Amino acid sequence: GQNIDQPTEMTATEGAIVQINCTYQTSGFNGLFWYQQHAGEAPTFLSYNVLDGLEEKGRFSSFLSRSKGYSYLLLKELQMKDSASYLCAVLILTGGGNKLTFGTGTQLKVEL
Amino acid sequence: EAQVTQNPRYLITVTGKKLTVTCSQNMNHEYMSWYRQDPGLGLRQIYYSMNVEVTDKGDVPEGYKVSRKEKRNFPLILESPSPNQTSLYFCASSTGPPGTRNTEAFFGQGTRLTVV
Repeated sequence: GQNIDQPTEMTATEGAIVQINCTYQTSGFNGLFWYQQHAGEAPTFLSYNVLDGLEEKGRFSSFLSRSKGYSYLLLKELQMKDSASYLCAVLILTGGGNKLTFGTGTQLKVEL
Repeated sequence: EAQVTQNPRYLITVTGKKLTVTCSQNMNHEYMSWYRQDPGLGLRQIYYSMNVEVTDKGDVPEGYKVSRKEKRNFPLILESPSPNQTSLYFCASSTGPPGTRNTEAFFGQGTRLTVV
């Protein structure tokens, strides 16, 4: 089966840097997505990693280590609007094609 | 504007009364899917569709049906809703199955369903 773990909650200060970790145990790994979801709203795409290394996109960066089954999302210069849930989703190659499995999400609270 | 539209946004219904949640996308996407989101369980896939007339079960298909008669629409049907189907439902679409750099999923705004 698949297992995706991420912390349930995190708190950080406005202007700071925060790292949200995601570990996974799965067979047929074929990539990892990060989504942001504000309360009561739809998830929105942040990043996709399939190769080891760091992908940077503005204030947000995502890192993947396939050998360690580990990813993190790095948020810099935190703003109050970054308070949201961050979902790690693992792409798994199955007989029927690619399947996306989500973690339970990390609720980030940004404080003054 | 590119978007995925779900209706209704909120619905309270009674056990056993058939209902349909509609999903429509205007991006000519081939791949569409339905998820439910429950506290502590994350997003779980119910059904997905690779293209018109091609659908398959996700992780939690029991109690649900879908159809894909045309590319833009992917309705979710609950033939006989039960209280354990009370949840927040999301429809999503992408250019293809998740797995390539340009196939990020676009989500609808969600449908909060309560079955009493």
